[in-house]
Amino acid sequence: DAKTTQPNSMESNEEEPVHLPCNHSTISGTDYIHWYRQLPSQGPEYVIHGLTSNVNNRMASLAIAEDRKSSTLILHRATLRDAAVYYCILIRDDKIIFGKGTRLHILP
Amino acid sequence: DVKVTQSSRYLVKRTGEKVFLECVQDMDHENMFWYRQDPGLGLRLIYFSYDVKMKEKGDIPEGYSVSREKKERFSLILESASTNQTSMYLCASSLGGASTDTQYFGPGTRLTVL
Repeated sequence: DAKTTQPNSMESNEEEPVHLPCNHSTISGTDYIHWYRQLPSQGPEYVIHGLTSNVNNRMASLAIAEDRKSSTLILHRATLRDAAVYYCILIRDDKIIFGKGTRLHILP
Repeated sequence: DVKVTQSSRYLVKRTGEKVFLECVQDMDHENMFWYRQDPGLGLRLIYFSYDVKMKEKGDIPEGYSVSREKKERFSLILESASTNQTSMYLCASSLGGASTDTQYFGPGTRLTVL
């Protein structure tokens, strides 16, 4: 089964961009790449998803490598409220594989 | 806004008890999911459902069953709770398939089995 690998934790300064990496070297052609985040004491919330092309929304951008074996979630200007665990997930035919996530610390 | 609610935030049960965890969504979503979340293991899919009375096993269905009698409600059942089922349980729903559609999660139920 395809799986994702993320750093356990990262730090960033407030108001600076953050790049969260995810490796998924065994991804298949039909796997969608989703990102969710989980704030303390809450359920996960959707951030962004893509298949092959880079994607932008109001929360973040998703950059997908040309070979699709890795992707990067980009928070353009981190705030303290962005401190959370970020999950990179592969979804294929509704089979959902969560990684262990990256705990993002934002320094004021 | 989509709302997914779970019957309890915290629950304490004894080994061998039958446990029901209820999840309700208010957006007429077709798909509903049950996960458990454990430190160091992330989220793992237990069961999911595409429609009323329909269910599919996820990655770790052993020791669990589910029921979906109405579209808005998806129940997770622990027939005989064991201590290794102590965990955070998260319910989610989505309008379309999980591949292309957003999943909306509830706040979770922290279950402790003594």
